[in-house]
Amino acid sequence: AQSVTQPDIHITVSEGASLELRCNYSYGATPYLFWYVQSPGQGLQLLLKYFSGDTLVQGIKGFEAEFKRSQSSFNLRKPSVHWSDAAEYFCAVGLMEYGNKLVFGAGTILRVKS
Amino acid sequence: DTGVSQNPRHKITKRGQNVTFRCDPISEHNRLYWYRQTLGQGPEFLTYFQNEAQLEKSRLLSDRFSAERPKGSFSTLEIQRTEQGDSAMYLCASSLPGLARPYNEQFFGPGTRLTVL
Repeated sequence: AQSVTQPDIHITVSEGASLELRCNYSYGATPYLFWYVQSPGQGLQLLLKYFSGDTLVQGIKGFEAEFKRSQSSFNLRKPSVHWSDAAEYFCAVGLMEYGNKLVFGAGTILRVKS
Repeated sequence: DTGVSQNPRHKITKRGQNVTFRCDPISEHNRLYWYRQTLGQGPEFLTYFQNEAQLEKSRLLSDRFSAERPKGSFSTLEIQRTEQGDSAMYLCASSLPGLARPYNEQFFGPGTRLTVL
């Protein structure tokens, strides 16, 4: 069955430090991969997506992610975290054969220390 | 284009009551999705529409849940005889169909937070 695993429930980093959020997926076909961010009480905002091609994708707010097929991973990175990045981050895989529905991980809550 | 809107934003109800939520997608999007998000979890797929046709329903969608999209524009999600376990954030998303390319990203609304007392 298709699934997404985000092994870290909480991560705390200092402002200005680098960030990496981990995501592993289980899916037999070509994955369409996404990272979304959710601030408290808000909906989901798309940070970046991977469909095909270059395995390093750039997104909004200075985020990037790297797709590694051999590791079934799609980790999110940012070189220097800002206090406004504190939020919950969700990795998701899109299932083309099921109407493009999204399967999400459980999320990683990012806290930023000043 | 004001994005996906959902109403109400918050709903508090007593167990056993019926509730209805509305979602207005981005105007040119003909796919519409409903997801449910419980505390500490990622969103889970409930159902989706292509125009007015409901094409898939999750096993999470018990017979107390019904969704409609009568004219292929806005959609409603109704929960009958609510239970405390229905307390969650209900998210709506819309997208273009995958015609020009295999996959089009989904744009999410702010959600409706349901609390069942």
